[in-house]
Amino acid sequence: NAGVTQTPKFQVLKTGQSMTLQCAQDMNHNSMYWYRQDPGMGLRLIYYSASEGTTDKGEVPNGYNVSRLNKREFSLRLESAAPSQTSVYFCASGGSGGQETQYFGPGTRLLVL
Amino acid sequence: QQQVKQSPQSLIVQKGGISIINCAYENTAFDYFPWYQQFPGKGPALLIAIRPDVSEKKEGRFTISFNKSAKQFSLHIMDSQPGDSATYFCAASSLLGTYKYIFGTGTRLKVLA
Repeated sequence: NAGVTQTPKFQVLKTGQSMTLQCAQDMNHNSMYWYRQDPGMGLRLIYYSASEGTTDKGEVPNGYNVSRLNKREFSLRLESAAPSQTSVYFCASGGSGGQETQYFGPGTRLLVL
Repeated sequence: QQQVKQSPQSLIVQKGGISIINCAYENTAFDYFPWYQQFPGKGPALLIAIRPDVSEKKEGRFTISFNKSAKQFSLHIMDSQPGDSATYFCAASSLLGTYKYIFGTGTRLKVLA
């Protein structure tokens, strides 16, 4: 039981490059979330998926797209990376259907030059 | 109305002392208030949570105090230990729908040995 896993752990991109952050959970949760964490700003919701096949914008969705591939996997894509997207990205699952706790992955550190 | 305000931003406490972190919210629809603990390089992990039907919840050395009329809640860490040194986030959520969290901006706690 690995919980929530994220890949890669660390990535360096040049401005304009694209990449996809991967997230998977093995807890059979319906809901999954992507957050970004920046110093002094806490955790801000980028996108979430309440169930397989649905996605919705969070607080800071601009510059990102998501795909809920199946119940286990939820990916975050940066189409054209910008320095402002330098951050630590966390995926979480849970938080629905009576399971209000969100479980977080270990994070992906992204540096955009 | 969606904000959760957290203070202080940083806190230094002597070993054995009491650490107190405060949060305030505005949206009266919030009905679930978790606290997360995050160590450097790790994802946040649930520490303790409370619902507004109780004014206090205690788990070991960690206590949440909740004041529904003031729309405030706080985390108390009794007998603080160097191992408690971490960043703490409060959050608020509504148990309707997808349990989206609104996080506070975090408090960096350092407990001196």
